[in-house]
Amino acid sequence: NAGVTQTPKFQVLKTGQSMTLQCAQDMNHEYMSWYRQDPGMGLRLIHYSVGAGITDQGEVPNGYNVSRSTTEDFPLRLLSAAPSQTSVYFCASSYGNRGRRELFFGEGSRLTVL
Amino acid sequence: GENVEQHPSTLSVQEGDSAVIKCTYSDSASNYFPWYKQELGKRPQLIIDIRSNVGEKKDQRIAVTLNKTAKHFSLHITETQPEDSAVYFCAAPVNYGGSQGNLIFGKGTKLSVKP
Repeated sequence: NAGVTQTPKFQVLKTGQSMTLQCAQDMNHEYMSWYRQDPGMGLRLIHYSVGAGITDQGEVPNGYNVSRSTTEDFPLRLLSAAPSQTSVYFCASSYGNRGRRELFFGEGSRLTVL
Repeated sequence: GENVEQHPSTLSVQEGDSAVIKCTYSDSASNYFPWYKQELGKRPQLIIDIRSNVGEKKDQRIAVTLNKTAKHFSLHITETQPEDSAVYFCAAPVNYGGSQGNLIFGKGTKLSVKP
């Protein structure tokens, strides 16, 4: 049981490049989300999905796109990377987003934009 | 919308002492308050949570208390050990768009337990 798997673990981009952070979960969770973690800022929600075909914006969505074509996968796309997007990105999933709902996080993807 | 404030940002204790981390929230309708622990270089993991119909919950050396009137909740760690050293995050539900129940996190408390 792999849980939540993120790839790549590390990535260096140049300003203006695009890339996709991959996230997959094998727990049949309905809810998936992406957070970014910056020093002293905690975890901030970028986008989330409550099921296949349904996505919505979180606290800091600008510069990122997501899609949810299957229950298992929730990729995060950076269309034109900027230095402000240098961060550690965590994908998370849970059974739902109501009631007691434990978030299961991936190992994180450290992105540096030069 | 919901806002979560967490204090202190850093906390240093001697092994065996107690540690207390406090969070306040703004939305009186919030009903679920989890705490996550993140060890250095690792992913955040849930350690304990509490629902608004309960005032206190304990799990071995950790406990969480909730004061709905004052809109604050606290994490208590007793008999601290070096392995308790980590960053701790509190969280509360927040509504974004048309969906309730996403979590907004505090900015974290770095706990250092000195042997």
